[in-house]
Amino acid sequence: AQSVAQPEDQVNVAEGNPLTVKCTYSVSGNPYLFWYVQYPNRGLQFLLKYITGDNLVKGSYGFEAEFNKSQTSFHLKKPSALVSDSALYFCAVRDWGSSNTGKLIFGQGTTLQVKP
Amino acid sequence: DGGITQSPKYLFRKEGQNVTLSCEQNLNHDAMYWYRQDPGQGLRLIYYSQIVNDFQKGDIAEGYSVSREKKESFPLTVTSAQKNPTAFYLCASSLKDSYNQPQHFGDGTRLSIL
Repeated sequence: AQSVAQPEDQVNVAEGNPLTVKCTYSVSGNPYLFWYVQYPNRGLQFLLKYITGDNLVKGSYGFEAEFNKSQTSFHLKKPSALVSDSALYFCAVRDWGSSNTGKLIFGQGTTLQVKP
Repeated sequence: DGGITQSPKYLFRKEGQNVTLSCEQNLNHDAMYWYRQDPGQGLRLIYYSQIVNDFQKGDIAEGYSVSREKKESFPLTVTSAQKNPTAFYLCASSLKDSYNQPQHFGDGTRLSIL
């Protein structure tokens, strides 16, 4: 079965420190992976994606993600966290089990708390 | 600017009442989706549509209905059969055959029981 796992419900970091939000996946086809961010009472905003190519993907707001095929992981990272990065983060993978080519499978979400 | 508009932002439902959530997009996307978000459960797919006049059930379709009469619009009706409708509902859209393109989301409708 295809799935996405975000093993941490919450990640706490101090402002200025590096942050990592973890994501692992299981898919039957090529791993097309996405990260989204959600602020309170808002929709999801797209941050970055991995389709093919370099394992380190750069996205919006200084975020990047590292694709690791052997570990089936796609961890979100940022070198220096800001208080304004505090939000809910979702990892998602393309669902190859569906005839709908746009369908995604989402992880449970990880709350990032950045303290001043 | 192109985007997805969901309305209303907040909605209250009485017992036995059907309510309809609006979703309109001007991105010229073929595919549209409805998700339900509950705390700690991530996003669960209710219905999706790839083209006009066609839609498919997602993982939790019971108690919900949709229509897709226009490309731009994909309204969701929460029927009285949905016994626990309190949640945050998100609409999204994407290009058809868009293996490598992200979905775009509206800002959601929060539904509560009166």
